[in-house]
Amino acid sequence: DAGITQSPRHKVTETGTPVTLRCHQTENHRYMYWYRQDPGHGLRLIHYSYGVKDTDKGEVSDGYSVSRSKTEDFLLTLESATSSQTSVYFCAISLQGSNQPQHFGDGTRLSIL
Amino acid sequence: AQTVTQSQPEMSVQEAETVTLSCTYDTSESDYYLFWYKQPPSRQMILVIRQEAYKQQNATENRFSVNFQKAAKSFSLKISDSQLGDAAMYFCALEYGNKLVFGAGTILRVKS
Repeated sequence: DAGITQSPRHKVTETGTPVTLRCHQTENHRYMYWYRQDPGHGLRLIHYSYGVKDTDKGEVSDGYSVSRSKTEDFLLTLESATSSQTSVYFCAISLQGSNQPQHFGDGTRLSIL
Repeated sequence: AQTVTQSQPEMSVQEAETVTLSCTYDTSESDYYLFWYKQPPSRQMILVIRQEAYKQQNATENRFSVNFQKAAKSFSLKISDSQLGDAAMYFCALEYGNKLVFGAGTILRVKS
């Protein structure tokens, strides 16, 4: 299994609070991704990174920010969580990005009340 | 925009039988890759099979094979000799420019 750790695995919080999810990899892969999974939508890309301090937006980036200060860590932040951001969040990594399969972490279930 | 459509929300198959999951996609890219991922109840995302768009030969991985029809933009997954452990959500995905676009998924139930 690819060395990807997501933390926390579960979190319950209240509307309006800030939330940070962490993705840590031990594979030294260049590309890292954040997705959300919702019923009827599959997985949708939020943000991705192609190197330290290099990030770009995905399909559903509104309300989310990311940071990557080290190769191994990719943080996803909800500055002011809303109930519509209740979801399961997956981190993925890829050695080269294009043409390489992505390997996924085990997901974080986030509930915003 | 790139889109992936899985038109079967749920499918059922008898153990040891064969089942085919459908996937169609739309892209204006000439260089892309297609994947099938499996998500069992444990929530893990497991790569099942991968197809390069420039290859005409259909990819196979043991009991899993694809029928890739590039002109029709169709990418179906065939599972032969279905096993109880195949029960899961299956996602079709299109990769272009370092990004994946997923379909909504098909739940596969396997009956014993």
